[in-house]
Amino acid sequence: GDSVTQMEGPVTLSEEAFLTINCTYTATGYPSLFWYVQYPGEGLQLLLKATKADDKGSNKGFEATYRKETTSFHLEKGSVQVSDSAVYFCALRGELTGGGNKLTFGTGTQLKVEL
Amino acid sequence: DTGVSQDPRHKITKRGQNVTFRCDPISEHNRLYWYRQTLGQGPEFLTYFQNEAQLEKSRLLSDRFSAERPKGSFSTLEIQRTEQGDSAMYLCASSLALPAQETQYFGPGTRLLVL
Repeated sequence: GDSVTQMEGPVTLSEEAFLTINCTYTATGYPSLFWYVQYPGEGLQLLLKATKADDKGSNKGFEATYRKETTSFHLEKGSVQVSDSAVYFCALRGELTGGGNKLTFGTGTQLKVEL
Repeated sequence: DTGVSQDPRHKITKRGQNVTFRCDPISEHNRLYWYRQTLGQGPEFLTYFQNEAQLEKSRLLSDRFSAERPKGSFSTLEIQRTEQGDSAMYLCASSLALPAQETQYFGPGTRLLVL
């Protein structure tokens, strides 16, 4: 079945550092890929998405590129801020076949940004 | 704010009691999903509806769990004879059924603690 593997956290960075959170997936066909973010005490928010190979999703300075050849969707940001401290979830939705539309999530990566 | 809402936000119950949670999706969304998230894990799919029809159920959804969406708007998730293992965050999400472009928007969740 479909699965998502994320790097384990917590990831601790200084403000303005470069961020990479690795995400790889296993799925048949061409899934859609997502990054969701969960700030402390809040619900999951969509951060960015990509629906086909080589697409780049971007939002709020974060980027991720859908790499079919490496089955990856790594999250990057050039300069993190304290306000980026949160848990980040990589997720996929399997290729639509008229039935399943559920999201399959990774275990999440906690990011802590310090001054 | 017209996002997904869930009620209650927190529920503490004793083992063996029944509990019911409510989800109100974004008003024009015809799909509604339930997920469960335990500490340190990503959300896991439970079930989903398109309008009032329940189209998919996970094997995680034992016969003690039942979900309804009687008029294709709000949904309820009931857990009968709760067990300590049911303690988790129950998340609701909604979306529009758009081929290849569907995005799920999550509510704040209901945190259940079974004593």
